[in-house]
Amino acid sequence: QQQVKQSPQSLIVQKGGISIINCAYENTAFDYFPWYQQFPGKGPALLIAIRPDVSEKKEGRFTISFNKSAKQFSLHIMDSQPGDSATYFCAARGYGGSQGNLIFGKGTKLSVKP
Amino acid sequence: DAMVIQNPRYQVTQFGKPVTLSCSQTLNHNVMYWYQQKSSQAPKLLFHYYDKDFNNEADTPDNFQSRRPNTSFCFLDIRSPGLGDAAMYLCATSREYSTDTQYFGPGTRLTVL
Repeated sequence: QQQVKQSPQSLIVQKGGISIINCAYENTAFDYFPWYQQFPGKGPALLIAIRPDVSEKKEGRFTISFNKSAKQFSLHIMDSQPGDSATYFCAARGYGGSQGNLIFGKGTKLSVKP
Repeated sequence: DAMVIQNPRYQVTQFGKPVTLSCSQTLNHNVMYWYQQKSSQAPKLLFHYYDKDFNNEADTPDNFQSRRPNTSFCFLDIRSPGLGDAAMYLCATSREYSTDTQYFGPGTRLTVL
């Protein structure tokens, strides 16, 4: 119940294309769903996040779509650029005390070809 | 401005030789976390502190210990590193457990020879 399943494991997209990464969860107590971006040799950095009371959140070229009934959420990167090449982790978090710890998906390695 | 600082960035140790990794933060956050991240894997939570209250994840090996002498600093001690402990070790902070954002440091890459 504490797992977050992420797919695909790797993704190759042409410059200008749309990158889509999907995640699914089981625990309905999760109330916060962030996406982290990690470049090689660096720590993860928060990219964008959503709460279950909205179905979509957009920040620039990055959009999270959230489907509460299906317990799924996805990251869309529009007009993908070579500089977006990184590993992306979805995560989920419960509320209160140590329930606030993040549960990470296994990550998606994105390569954007010029 | 660096907010979560980890030293050293790269650490090489020998099998069985104790090693200490350090983390400091300028954010004055209450919560500090240590994660282990192996190649091509997700970060795995080892410990977390709320102020000086220590919380150990159930599956964290006894070989790993942690200290938080004050709000700003947190240390990860590996008493007898094995080859399987080679990984990136990430420190992160958040203002509260329920705060949305965890801020990660750049990590320390540990190599065990």
